Amino acid sequence: DAKTTQPPSMDCAEGRAANLPCNHSTISGNEYVYWYRQIHSQGPQYIIHGLKNNETNEMASLIITEDRKSSTLILPHATLRDTAVYYCIVPYSGAGSYQLTFGKGTKLSVIP
Amino acid sequence: DVKVTQSSRYLVKRTGEKVFLECVQDMDHENMFWYRQDPGLGLRLIYFSYDVKMKEKGDIPEGYSVSREKKERFSLILESASTNQTSMYLCASSSPYRAGSPLHFGNGTRLTVT
Repeated sequence: DAKTTQPPSMDCAEGRAANLPCNHSTISGNEYVYWYRQIHSQGPQYIIHGLKNNETNEMASLIITEDRKSSTLILPHATLRDTAVYYCIVPYSGAGSYQLTFGKGTKLSVIP
Repeated sequence: DVKVTQSSRYLVKRTGEKVFLECVQDMDHENMFWYRQDPGLGLRLIYFSYDVKMKEKGDIPEGYSVSREKKERFSLILESASTNQTSMYLCASSSPYRAGSPLHFGNGTRLTVT
């Protein structure tokens, strides 16, 4: 499965945009990029996913480079409740199923 | 909204006990997964299932087994609990892999083996 690389930690001022980068240089043409986050003591929460085009939903925007080797998750106006560990994942798919391998993610701290 | 429910939030068991962790999802998902999460190690896949009575080993299946007798229920079994199985256990479910089929997680079971 395609490996992802993320910085271990980042800080962001409350109300500012948080830009979380992810490298996935071995991604293949039909593999999606998924983003999840985990707030302390809770299960991971799905945020957004994309293939080639940029995507936006009520939680975040996802910018994927043209060569698809990296992506950026954007939280447009970070709040204290966005403090969490953010995971960038490229699922392994095969035999009619798929599995996500979670790395260590990026710990985002939103600072008042 | 998809709901994945894990039967216990906290569990304390003794070494050598047989332990059952139960997970139920209400979205008729084909795929179900069990992960464990430990500080500094991220989430690691133990087992997954893509259909009733089907199971596949993940990255760390040793010391665990699973059961999927009904589509909505996926059980993780520790045949003889050991202290190194003290961890947070997370269950997840999803549709088969296609566009727009993310994993949905429960809130986890924090298991302590003494």
